[in-house]
This record gives sequence, structure tokens and C-alpha cells, in this order.
Amino acid sequence: NAGVIQTPRHKVTGKGQEATLWCEPISGHSAVFWYRQTIVQGLEFLTYFRNQAPIDDSGMPKERFSAQMPNQSHSTLKIQSTQPQDSAVYLCASSLGLNQDTQYFGPGTRLLVL
Amino acid sequence: GDSVTQTEGQVALSEEDFLTIHCNYSASGYPTLFWYVQYPGEGPQLLFRASRDKEKGSSRGFEATYDKGTTSFHLRKASVQESDSAVYYCALRSIASSSFSKLVFGQGTSLSVVP
Repeated sequence: NAGVIQTPRHKVTGKGQEATLWCEPISGHSAVFWYRQTIVQGLEFLTYFRNQAPIDDSGMPKERFSAQMPNQSHSTLKIQSTQPQDSAVYLCASSLGLNQDTQYFGPGTRLLVL
Repeated sequence: GDSVTQTEGQVALSEEDFLTIHCNYSASGYPTLFWYVQYPGEGPQLLFRASRDKEKGSSRGFEATYDKGTTSFHLRKASVQESDSAVYYCALRSIASSSFSKLVFGQGTSLSVVP
């Protein structure tokens, strides 16, 4: 089991450019979560899918951020017109989708916006 | 909203010292409580969890007891090793239906253990 796979591991963008982050959940897991990690804010929930359907996006910034899960094997987090304050580690996690199950995290994508 | 507070931002210990990291939470009902550990370049990984008052979670010598009365879930280890150096996060999963599955994390505690 390869665990949750996130690509790229590092990404550098210029201010105003678009960034797309990819997540491949553990095979058989039906729930996918996105979190953002910064020194100042710590670990923050962004959004959550179950069986590819968006369930909770209460943590997503209202502008420029979007997430999709087009199939059960991957999810994407897209940031349009990136800003320096978007610099963070973006973590993807997956779980079986049952009420009391464990979330398994990927290694994260470190995004740096210059 | 739900929240988790970790008192210690950084802890520096010598091998074989006793470790305590304090975690207090604010949430309604009985949230599930977690301790996660994160090593450099990796995502957080679950140490253990607890779901009921007085339930003890444990793994790799670490333990914590769910205390509803004091809303606490303090992490303890009797004798730390250099390999325990990492960042430790206390987290909760709310029972509120609107946010049932997301995790709410504390700010994290960076543990450094020297030989």
C-alpha cells in the first residue's frame, strides 16, 4: 500500500499564476480531505469529499480556491491567481468513509508563491 | 466553534525524561479525540484516539486519557527517546452533523529530545 500520494511535492509559482495540486487517495478509500498547514494558522480544514461528492467546503476561501474529485482515484485543489499568503503545505488525507475511521495523510505539497 | 488548545509550543528534553504535553478542548457532547505525530517532510500520522470519557488511548509508550470533566486529553510518556523528536498535534472530530468528519487541530508541540 503506497499510502496517499500527493504531487508535486514542491511547487513554486509567481504571484498571479495558477497552481493545481493533485492527490491520489488510498485505494478503496471513499473519503478525501484537504487541509492547509502554515506556521501562523497551523493545520486548517479546507474541504471534504465522500464518494466523489463534495460534502463540506466550509474551510475553503471564498475566492480563487476550488477542489474537485472527478473520479475515485484522484482529487485536485486549484488555486487561481496565487498570492504570497497562499504559501503553505497543502495536505490531502483519505479514509474509508465510515463514521469512526482514521484519516491517513499524504506527505503534502509545499507551495511557495513569490 | 470547536477548538483545541495545546499549552506548550516547544518542549526540549533529554533521553529518559518524562513527557507531558497538555491538550484541552472545547466542543459539545463527546467528540472523538486524537493525538497525531508529524515528522519532517511527512504528513501527520495517527498515534491513537479515544471516544469516551475515561477511555485511555496508547501507542509506542505514549498514552492519554479522555477526561470529560476537565475537557482534557494530555499526552504522556514515561521515558522519551531521541527518535520521539517530532511535532505532536492534539485534534478532535466534532459530533456536530454539519462538520462530522473534519478534524480540528491544536497548534502543535515541537518535541526535541537530546541524547
